[in-house]
Amino acid sequence: GENVEQHPSTLSVQEGDSAVIKCTYSDSASNYFPWYKQELGKGPQLIIDIRSNVGEKKDQRIAVTLNKTAKHFSLHITETQPEDSAVYFCAAAAFSGTYKYIFGTGTRLKVLA
Amino acid sequence: DGGITQSPKYLFRKEGQNVTLSCEQNLNHDAMYWYRQDPGQGLRLIYYSQIVNDFQKGDIAEGYSVSREKKESFPLTVTSAQKNPTAFYLCASSDRTNEKLFFGSGTQLSVL
Repeated sequence: GENVEQHPSTLSVQEGDSAVIKCTYSDSASNYFPWYKQELGKGPQLIIDIRSNVGEKKDQRIAVTLNKTAKHFSLHITETQPEDSAVYFCAAAAFSGTYKYIFGTGTRLKVLA
Repeated sequence: DGGITQSPKYLFRKEGQNVTLSCEQNLNHDAMYWYRQDPGQGLRLIYYSQIVNDFQKGDIAEGYSVSREKKESFPLTVTSAQKNPTAFYLCASSDRTNEKLFFGSGTQLSVL
């Protein structure tokens, strides 16, 4: 079946450094790629998303890039802060009557003060 | 305060017992979803509903049931047929034509 691979599963960075999380998807019909941040015991929160007709999108310290040819997209967080520590999930979605999401397995990011 | 409300936050199930997880949204969204989250795994779709009185099975529907009698509500019942129910359950909603998916705060279900 279709899947989304996400790497790394854990990532530790020093405060102020950058963090990069990578995802690869298999369904070529996917045209929407959101990223979610999940804090302990809470539901995922949408932090940034990108559509397949765009190669890059930036929102303050967060950016997402998409390479449709390689079926690859990445989350970039610059100037990391301790409050960025959380689990981050990528997803790839394709529309078929409604959007169907395939989620990555998550990356636990730790920002060390 | 708009959003998705899940209750309870923690739930315990005894052997052979059915339990129901509540999900209510006031976002006026047509579509609602139930996902299961296990440690180290991605979210897996249990059931979804695009409109009132209609719902479809997701990838792991066995041992679960749902209803959609009102637009705002999409309760999930974990039946005794679900042999491994311990997980974090997430409800989500979206406008049917909008790709953005919004999540509730989740319910942690454990077996006694």
